Amino acid sequence: AQSVTQLGSHVSVSEGALVLLRCNYSSSVPPYLFWYVQYPNQGLQLLLKYTTGATLVKGINGFEAEFKKSETSFHLTKPSAHMSDAAEYFCAVSEDNQGGKLIFGQGTELSVKP
Amino acid sequence: EPEVTQTPSHQVTQMGQEVILRCVPISNHLYFYWYRQILGQKVEFLVSFYNNEISEKSEIFDDQFSVERPDGSNFTLKIRSTKLEDSAMYFCASRLAGAEQYFGPGTRLTVT
Repeated sequence: AQSVTQLGSHVSVSEGALVLLRCNYSSSVPPYLFWYVQYPNQGLQLLLKYTTGATLVKGINGFEAEFKKSETSFHLTKPSAHMSDAAEYFCAVSEDNQGGKLIFGQGTELSVKP
Repeated sequence: EPEVTQTPSHQVTQMGQEVILRCVPISNHLYFYWYRQILGQKVEFLVSFYNNEISEKSEIFDDQFSVERPDGSNFTLKIRSTKLEDSAMYFCASRLAGAEQYFGPGTRLTVT
């Protein structure tokens, strides 16, 4: 069965610093991988996704993630953090490699200090 | 931009009562989902729905839960007899074939 592990339940960076949120997955089939962001009192918004093809995927708000099959990782990065990036970030894998049932990681709360 | 909507945003109910959580998926989407997030825990899959029937359900989705798409636009989750441990944020999601899921803003259910 698929699973997702996010290292670090809370990450704090300074404004302008690199953001790195870690995600490792296990999957018995080629995975579809997603990063979602949840701002306070809001739903889940898709940041980016990997299905097939290019392993470096770019998303909204300057975020990107790289699929590394050998490391079973899909880490999320942003070169320069903004205060508005403060939110909870969830990595997820689609169990049926069609975009269906999502298995989520436990989430990483990102804080951005001025 | 089309979006998934959910009502109510917050529902308070007493233990043992029935609740219905409502969702309006994006209009041309074909696949529908419910997830829940207990405070401080991860988002968990409850059920998927396609072609007017349940495709898959989790262990959480026992006989107390049911889903329905009564009129081609709404997608509902019913909990027949709520328990304290049903208190959570419930998210509805929808998608097209082969595409990503779009989530609604959630309904916070509080069972007292």
